Amino acid sequence: GAVVSQHPSRVICKSGTSVKIECRSLDFQATTMFWYRQFPKQSLMLMATSNEGSKATYEQGVEKDKFLINHASLTLSTLTVTSAHPEDSSFYICSARDVSTASSYNSPLHFGNGTRLTVT
Amino acid sequence: AQSVAQPEDQVNVAEGNPLTVKCTYSVSGNPYLFWYVQYPNRGLQFLLKYITGDNLVKGSYGFEAEFNKSQTSFHLKKPSALVSDSALYFCAVRDPFDNYGQNFVFGPGTRLSVLP
Repeated sequence: GAVVSQHPSRVICKSGTSVKIECRSLDFQATTMFWYRQFPKQSLMLMATSNEGSKATYEQGVEKDKFLINHASLTLSTLTVTSAHPEDSSFYICSARDVSTASSYNSPLHFGNGTRLTVT
Repeated sequence: AQSVAQPEDQVNVAEGNPLTVKCTYSVSGNPYLFWYVQYPNRGLQFLLKYITGDNLVKGSYGFEAEFNKSQTSFHLKKPSALVSDSALYFCAVRDPFDNYGQNFVFGPGTRLSVLP
């Protein structure tokens, strides 16, 4: 089955530093990947849609200069949290859809295992 | 715009008993509906989906869900709950007429606790 690898699974950083999170589709190609943020005991909040070879589309209220997204290939998207602050501490999850399926509209999203970011 | 509601924050059920996790939705056309499960500190795992056809769909780990168009519901069910089913469950909908948003809309989640 389609596997999405997300790395690192857990990171602790100091306030003011930047952190990069990688999301890879291991056995399929994904022209589009999605980045979510999840607060404790809450649902997923879509942050941005990452498009291979073009700029990401950010949801309202998400700072694009704060959360830099790069989708340089069909199997890799990265999210960089720049100048991190304690309020950026959260669980970040990526997802992707296999574009090779007959109809990507009704195919499920495949999720990474998430990254727990703690900013001290 | 599409939306998803999961009216119960928490569902408790005894092991061996049937379980139901409720989901209702709102979309402009015929919906694509999905259920996902999330274990602690993990991403979401796909359980099942409804696109068209038989209203009762079967998925992973013995779960099934029933699509009810008149009630705009897609409740998740399992005949006999296991302690290992304890997790956070998300219902999601995708509007097939939404040409721009490839994203799914997720419900708020329901925490299922199966008691031994």
